[in-house]
Amino acid sequence: ETGVTQTPRHLVMGMTNKKSLKCEQHLGHNAMYWYKQSAKKPLELMFVYNFKEQTENNSVPSRFSPECPNSSHLFLHLHTLQPEDSALYLCASSLGTSGGVMGEQYFGPGTRLTVT
Amino acid sequence: GENVEQHPSTLSVQEGDSAVIKCTYSDSASNYFPWYKQELGKGPQLIIDIRSNVGEKKDQRIAVTLNKTAKHFSLHITETQPEDSAVYFCAASFTVTGANNLFFGTGTRLTVIP
Repeated sequence: ETGVTQTPRHLVMGMTNKKSLKCEQHLGHNAMYWYKQSAKKPLELMFVYNFKEQTENNSVPSRFSPECPNSSHLFLHLHTLQPEDSALYLCASSLGTSGGVMGEQYFGPGTRLTVT
Repeated sequence: GENVEQHPSTLSVQEGDSAVIKCTYSDSASNYFPWYKQELGKGPQLIIDIRSNVGEKKDQRIAVTLNKTAKHFSLHITETQPEDSAVYFCAASFTVTGANNLFFGTGTRLTVIP
């Protein structure tokens, strides 16, 4: 185990549903990330939070809404998704966002999302 | 932005043989190059990384080499074992204070045949 947990592990939702993904890290890290992993495409960075503040939004559609209440928890709120949003959503954390050991990212197991 | 290309997309080797996965990057400012291993049903796990101030790094059976001039880096796994079977991802980033955006390759599915 990497110390990063994600729930749920699998989620099926309709296009009109609202759901949330949860990530929790037990590593004492200060930075957290959301990534999208689609088949045959590189992992795509979605959002970065450092000390609860969003520092990166990689042009993500507004139907994805992140929330970081503290350095240990990260949520991704989903609403009115499209079938092409079906993917594995990965959470990661790091001690910081600068170089060296600070920036080494540790990933959770992901949430497999299917939008019907 | 950075563009990372990874080859091959699939690789099969006999147990005990070596495996090499290669990546190229486009941004000469990139200075951090991690490699991740992703097993079925799990998230990517960092297995080794290299920074631009060194050309090679080893950790037991795995090694990574970096050629900054040519902008490419490689993962070498020696004496492969069935448990090495997984998808491997390379990544590159330019790490400055306040930024740590990793740009990933598309992955290599390694199969080690017993």
